[in-house]
Amino acid sequence: ELQLVESGGGLVQPGGSLRLSCAASGFTFSNYFMHWVRQVPGKGLVWVARIKIDGSGIRYADSVRGRFTISRDNAKNTLYLQMNSLRDDDTAVYYCTRDGAFTLDLWGQGTMVTVSS
Amino acid sequence: QSALTQPPSASGSPGQSVTISCTGTSSDVGGYNYVSWYQRYPGKAPKLMIFEVSKRPSGVPDRFSGSKSGNTASLTVSGLQAEDEAHYYCGSYAGINNPFVFGAGTEVTVL
Repeated sequence: ELQLVESGGGLVQPGGSLRLSCAASGFTFSNYFMHWVRQVPGKGLVWVARIKIDGSGIRYADSVRGRFTISRDNAKNTLYLQMNSLRDDDTAVYYCTRDGAFTLDLWGQGTMVTVSS
Repeated sequence: QSALTQPPSASGSPGQSVTISCTGTSSDVGGYNYVSWYQRYPGKAPKLMIFEVSKRPSGVPDRFSGSKSGNTASLTVSGLQAEDEAHYYCGSYAGINNPFVFGAGTEVTVL
């Protein structure tokens, strides 16, 4: 079964850090670009970051550039998002998604990140 | 504010059709034939229902159809069923610097 499972979310104080993980199964992880997308509860989806097959070609949304780092371990079939200097407006559900050529064709259930003092 | 504009809600009776619009710009919806639609139940992973404007992934019922005219894309659900009650989000490729933009979602209610 094709599956993406996120973990690592939780409650963190402003200025703190979290690392999200996304475990992929049921497909050849190393063949796909991967992305992180987030959603503030009640709001729309917002693209966060992308990484190419070999870990190159990394791009970030302006709102997270310099604070977040996307990475992957193809041997472990796992995608990561290191989030530093977290702000209140980073509070959201974070989704790991697979890039099926200009379409995000597989999504995880998401992990909730709450930034609050 | 989301990059793409969707109505917050839509509804129809079982068997009827409902159409959801998704309006963007010439930099996203109007500029590429890479509009996608996603269905999401509460607490579940979004599911791809339509890609490249009008194509259906394997397993998606043909009651779901997509189209585009200019900067506006549409999703039509024909023959509404109770199981179609969910949130629907549109998305579009928007270029290499900000690859994907999305709408805020439309809650579809089956009356």
